[in-house]
Amino acid sequence: SAVISQKPSRDICQRGTSLTIQCQVDSQVTMMFWYRQQPGQSLTLIATANQGSEATYESGFVIDKFPISRPNLTFSTLTVSNMSPEDSSIYLCSVVLRAEAFFGQGTRLTVV
Amino acid sequence: DAKTTQPTSMDCAEGRAANLPCNHSTISGNEYVYWYRQIHSQGPQYIIHGLKNNETNEMASLIITEDRKSSTLILPHATLRDTAVYYCIVLTFNAGGTSYGKLTFGQGTILTVHP
Repeated sequence: SAVISQKPSRDICQRGTSLTIQCQVDSQVTMMFWYRQQPGQSLTLIATANQGSEATYESGFVIDKFPISRPNLTFSTLTVSNMSPEDSSIYLCSVVLRAEAFFGQGTRLTVV
Repeated sequence: DAKTTQPTSMDCAEGRAANLPCNHSTISGNEYVYWYRQIHSQGPQYIIHGLKNNETNEMASLIITEDRKSSTLILPHATLRDTAVYYCIVLTFNAGGTSYGKLTFGQGTILTVHP
């Protein structure tokens, strides 16, 4: 299995600011995934982060708003830029090992 | 990835079996059926997966119909801690595929276990 640590677990931020979320995995993985879960909704994939290449974004998500770094095989960051109240969500990172997806506990973001 | 259809909510009495259905009529031959659950305010938790044979592990059983167009997740003795949203997902983990590792979540089934 894989253990994923996300930081921060929660934050309250002012609109117009940015927040960087960190995801640390205890195993080396090629791909990491970032999801968003808006209040009362299901999870939606934001982007796929491969080590050594640009992240691949899903429809409706852009790099300027959600820049992603992937400096090595165990770490990634997601930044939520120029935040508005609509960005209030839980953000989760995920990895796949041996045909099983593992998730972090998420970062609960509230934008005021 | 194929889409899935699940009931919005279900109830179950504690100690009884919870049977959660899922329709995936457009599933293709190399797509697996995965089940995850999300307990309030936590990240999704893997439960079980299968291709065409029935599967059982320490958490649950997965029954897949012969035509693979539907499946049922069975929690044999539901407890109050099994109250969660249960997601049925079909996908392939073929390495190099564009959908590798991406999970497409539907709205899931809210399972409420009553005392």
